Amino acid sequence: NAGVMQNPRHLVRRRGQEARLRCSPVKGHSHVYWYRQLPEEGLKFMVYLQKENIIDESGMPKERFSAEFPKEGPSILRIQQVVRGDSAAYFCASSPRPERTDTQYFGPGTRLTVL
Amino acid sequence: DAKTTQPNSMESNEEEPVHLPCNHSTISGTDYIHWYRQLPSQGPEYVIHGLTSNVNNRMASLAIAEDRKSSTLILHRATLRDAAVYYCILRGSILRSGGSNYKLTFGKGTLLTVNP
Repeated sequence: NAGVMQNPRHLVRRRGQEARLRCSPVKGHSHVYWYRQLPEEGLKFMVYLQKENIIDESGMPKERFSAEFPKEGPSILRIQQVVRGDSAAYFCASSPRPERTDTQYFGPGTRLTVL
Repeated sequence: DAKTTQPNSMESNEEEPVHLPCNHSTISGTDYIHWYRQLPSQGPEYVIHGLTSNVNNRMASLAIAEDRKSSTLILHRATLRDAAVYYCILRGSILRSGGSNYKLTFGKGTLLTVNP
């Protein structure tokens, strides 16, 4: 069984460019979560999506960041006009349900470097 | 969410058991105790979870204190591959978590070093 896949694994952008991070959840999982890990810090929740719906985006910066999980295709985390402070590892996780007894399966992450 | 406290780091020798402690004195009766770990340059990986009783799986054992104010993750025979940051996370009911019990709240965790 394929786990959570993320691409690209490494992404380099210059300040002001756009970054698009993709996440394909475990097959059959309709709940996707994005987390960000800044250098030397713990992982922080960003957003929770179900198919075609954003359920909770309370951890996502209000500007420049957006996320989607379309009916078909991967979930996308989009960062517009990147700044150096966006350099981090971005992890996607999926689960069959959002319950507190359910495991979240994480992908390998996308490491974004902003020059 | 209830808070957890873990030592910043621990060291072990290969082939020896490792006991990773976690304090959660404000845990509520409906909070599940989850453990994840993050190997270097990888995403977090689920290890084990429990509510009241001790739990075993192929990766580890989870020992939960009778009053549930602390728990211990036990790796029975540490290998070099077990070197990672281990996170103890509480997941509460929807009501207790303000409707967001799907969020995993990662602290700083315990950095486990395994010596050959």
